[in-house]
Amino acid sequence: EVQLVQSGAEVKKPGESLKISCKGSGYSFTSYWIGWVRQMPGKGLEWMGIIYPGDSDTRYSPSFQGQVTISADKSISTAYLQWSSLKASDTAMYYCARYLNVLPRAFDYWGQGTLVTVSS
Amino acid sequence: DIQMTQSPSSVSASVGDRVTITCRASQGISSWLAWYQQKPGKAPKLLIYAASSLQSGVPSRFSGSGSGTDFTLTISSLQPEDFATYYCQQANSFLLTFGGGTKVEIK
Repeated sequence: EVQLVQSGAEVKKPGESLKISCKGSGYSFTSYWIGWVRQMPGKGLEWMGIIYPGDSDTRYSPSFQGQVTISADKSISTAYLQWSSLKASDTAMYYCARYLNVLPRAFDYWGQGTLVTVSS
Repeated sequence: DIQMTQSPSSVSASVGDRVTITCRASQGISSWLAWYQQKPGKAPKLLIYAASSLQSGVPSRFSGSGSGTDFTLTISSLQPEDFATYYCQQANSFLLTFGGGTKVEIK
């Protein structure tokens, strides 16, 4: 069974750093891209970026380039999303999802989400 | 970036109604469009990929059509479990983008 299991909810202060994780199982982790999607409270889905764990090829949305870092450790089938200095506006639910760049060219499996709250 | 515009932003409908949601791309994306359903407090779920292909396990009352810049998601007979928010997403390039969402509410 394909599963993406994300790390737990986080409460941080502005200026702090954070790294959240997404562990894949039940499939070949290095053969699919892993994307990250932000959903701010009461708002829609925003694609942040994507990584291919097989060779760490990473692409970012222009809106998030330089704001976050996406990485992966294929030895433990885990992808990461990290911030070096959080802002209150980073408060959101963050989802990871599996993506294949041939059919279906869509996010077919999703993690359960990690809620990040940034507040002083 | 390719912008995706969904309409309407919300729709009120009754069980059994036919519901159609549209998604327009700011430039041609061939058939590289997916549709997702999201219920409150849950992760999105893939319904349709490549504009018209039904994801495994998704009921056949969901269908998608379109190519180029204009796409539709149709629910042929709305069921109680279909009240949710629906998003389109283009995959023409690696600069993936989602539409703003359409909330399907109970009339």
